[in-house]
Amino acid sequence: GAVVSQHPSRVICKSGTSVKIECRSLDFQATTMFWYRQFPKQSLMLMATSNEGSKATYEQGVEKDKFLINHASLTLSTLTVTSAHPEDSSFYICSSSEGNTIYFGEGSWLTVV
Amino acid sequence: RKEVEQDPGPFNVPEGATVAFNCTYSNSASQSFFWYRQDCRKEPKLLMSVYSSGNEDGRFTAQLNRASQYISLLIRDSKLSDSATYLCVVPGGSYIPTFGRGTSLIVHP
Repeated sequence: GAVVSQHPSRVICKSGTSVKIECRSLDFQATTMFWYRQFPKQSLMLMATSNEGSKATYEQGVEKDKFLINHASLTLSTLTVTSAHPEDSSFYICSSSEGNTIYFGEGSWLTVV
Repeated sequence: RKEVEQDPGPFNVPEGATVAFNCTYSNSASQSFFWYRQDCRKEPKLLMSVYSSGNEDGRFTAQLNRASQYISLLIRDSKLSDSATYLCVVPGGSYIPTFGRGTSLIVHP
């Protein structure tokens, strides 16, 4: 069945460095990928919507220059957190849809120290 | 009104109890609704889909009330393993999934 594979599952980085998170759709073509962030005890908040071959659409309050999204193919979307700061530490997760079903990546725990 | 609202709980119930959560939504045009389960530090996993009036799967029943714009999740005969956060998801415009903040359920012995 359709699966979204997300990598890495956990990453610790130093403040000021950049981290790339990848999401790959397996067995289906993900023309759209949604990127969410979840802080402890909070809901999943949509950060941006990436569309294959075009620029991502960012939600209000999300800095597009800080959270770079690339969706160059129908099976791969990446989120790069640039110049990471401790307040960027969070759970990042991607999702895509096939038909009426939403599929999630496994999520990535980012800790910025 | 927020797009999707849930009581965060926690709901603390004994094993064997019946517990129900509600989720209200603002987009009256929504046609499909989902309940997801999220365990601590894990990705959400689909529990049930609701397309018409309701859906039942074993101990779990989801119901939709379009007039009042809410969906409910009923869990019968609660198990310890049911302890998790239950997320209500309502696709909004352009089918962008919008999540409630989740309802925390704790089932104790």
